[in-house]
Amino acid sequence: NAGVTQTPKFRILKIGQSMTLQCTQDMNHNYMYWYRQDPGMGLKLIYYSVGAGITDKGEVPNGYNVSRSTTEDFPLRLELAAPSQTSVYFCASSYSSGGAGDTQYFGPGTRLTVL
Amino acid sequence: AQSVTQLGSHVSVSEGALVLLRCNYSSSVPPYLFWYVQYPNQGLQLLLKYTSAATLVKGINGFEAEFKKSETSFHLTKPSAHMSDAAEYFCAVSVPRGGGADGLTFGKGTHLIIQP
Repeated sequence: NAGVTQTPKFRILKIGQSMTLQCTQDMNHNYMYWYRQDPGMGLKLIYYSVGAGITDKGEVPNGYNVSRSTTEDFPLRLELAAPSQTSVYFCASSYSSGGAGDTQYFGPGTRLTVL
Repeated sequence: AQSVTQLGSHVSVSEGALVLLRCNYSSSVPPYLFWYVQYPNQGLQLLLKYTSAATLVKGINGFEAEFKKSETSFHLTKPSAHMSDAAEYFCAVSVPRGGGADGLTFGKGTHLIIQP
C-alpha cells in the first residue's frame, strides 16, 4: 500500500492565482482530512470528509474549498491565493472517526509559498 | 472545546539520557490522546495513543506515555535517548462525538534535540 499520497511536493504561487492540492489514499478509509501547519503553531484542521459526497468545515476553512467524489480522493482547492496561505499542507485519512480514537495516517505534505 | 498545551517548544537532552516531553490537555469529556512524531520534511507518524484502556501506553521506538486524569496530562518518555530521536513531537486530542469526524486538535509541538 502507498498509504496517503499528496501532489505536488512544492509549489510557488503568485497572489491571486488558484491551484488544487491533490490527496489520494489506498486504504479504503472513509474519513479524510486537510490540515495546515505553520511554524510553531502545530496543525490546524481546514476541512474534513466522512465519506464520498460529504464534507464539512474545520477550524480554518476560509479561502479553501474541497470536494469528495470518490472514497480515494480528497482534493483541496485554493482560490485567489494570498500570502497568509503560505504553509505546509497535510492530508490524512482514517477508517473511522477521530472522535472514536481511530489513528489518522498522514501524507508527506505539500509546501506552498504564495508571493 | 478541547485544547492541548505542550510545555517547551525546544527540549535538549544528551544521548543516553531520559527524554521527557510534556503534554497537558483540556476536555470536558474523556478524551483520546495521541503522540505523533515528524522527522524533517516528512509527514506525521503515530508514536502511540491512549483510548481509555491501560493508562500506561507503550509505543514504537521505545517511547511510552502515561495518562493521568487527575493532572490532565499525557507526558511522553523514553529511558535512553538516541540520535535518531531528534524530531518534532506533537501531542493531540480528540473527543467522542455523536456525529462528525472533527479531526484532531494538536499542540504546538516540541522540537527534540539530542546532544552527542
